[in-house]
Amino acid sequence: AQKITQTQPGMFVQEKEAVTLDCTYDTSDPSYGLFWYKQPSSGEMIFLIYQGSYDQQNATEGRYSLNFQKARKSANLVISASQLGDSAMYFCAMRERRSGSARQLTFGSGTQLTVLP
Amino acid sequence: DTGVSQNPRHKITKRGQNVTFRCDPISEHNRLYWYRQTLGQGPEFLTYFQNEAQLEKSRLLSDRFSAERPKGSFSTLEIQRTEQGDSAMYLCASSLDQGDYGYTFGSGTRLTVV
Repeated sequence: AQKITQTQPGMFVQEKEAVTLDCTYDTSDPSYGLFWYKQPSSGEMIFLIYQGSYDQQNATEGRYSLNFQKARKSANLVISASQLGDSAMYFCAMRERRSGSARQLTFGSGTQLTVLP
Repeated sequence: DTGVSQNPRHKITKRGQNVTFRCDPISEHNRLYWYRQTLGQGPEFLTYFQNEAQLEKSRLLSDRFSAERPKGSFSTLEIQRTEQGDSAMYLCASSLDQGDYGYTFGSGTRLTVV
């Protein structure tokens, strides 16, 4: 089974509007972390926001917020006031505590966001 | 510090040749990861170093792949007898012990096997 599912291969949003990118996850580990990364065409993975499984409040970082619904196992990224520079591939990722000492990230397949002028 | 540096940025090689990539992590980061990303997919974990020790390897890392991190600083990833299926972006990331706020990724090395 997929551990991270991103069901939107592509999304379009008008400049200055808000957009939500969906992410659902699957784990039986009670302790885990959820991440969102942005990957522009240059290839670098840019860290955006982090949510811990025990965090009581939704994470926010500037224009990025994470809509964390633990019971539904979803961690959607909300980008407010979209800018042309937000056009990129966005990846949701999870790190499980039981993944061992590596604590590596498991990524979804990504959503390509295009911001229209 | 300029972040995680990867060289080369692009590599085109003929099938059957050996290739080596280099990753220079952020200097104070003791954890180093290699990931592989194929077109249209998210990165997949390959291997992990804690200082100079390679502590975990994915099943994706076949016998043709070897990684080193001498002295716990830079790391190299070598692929022997390359195959067309090895064509991908190879990403390196580093972090401190906790890494709770994400890892710092490099810009990757894009490998094309022809």
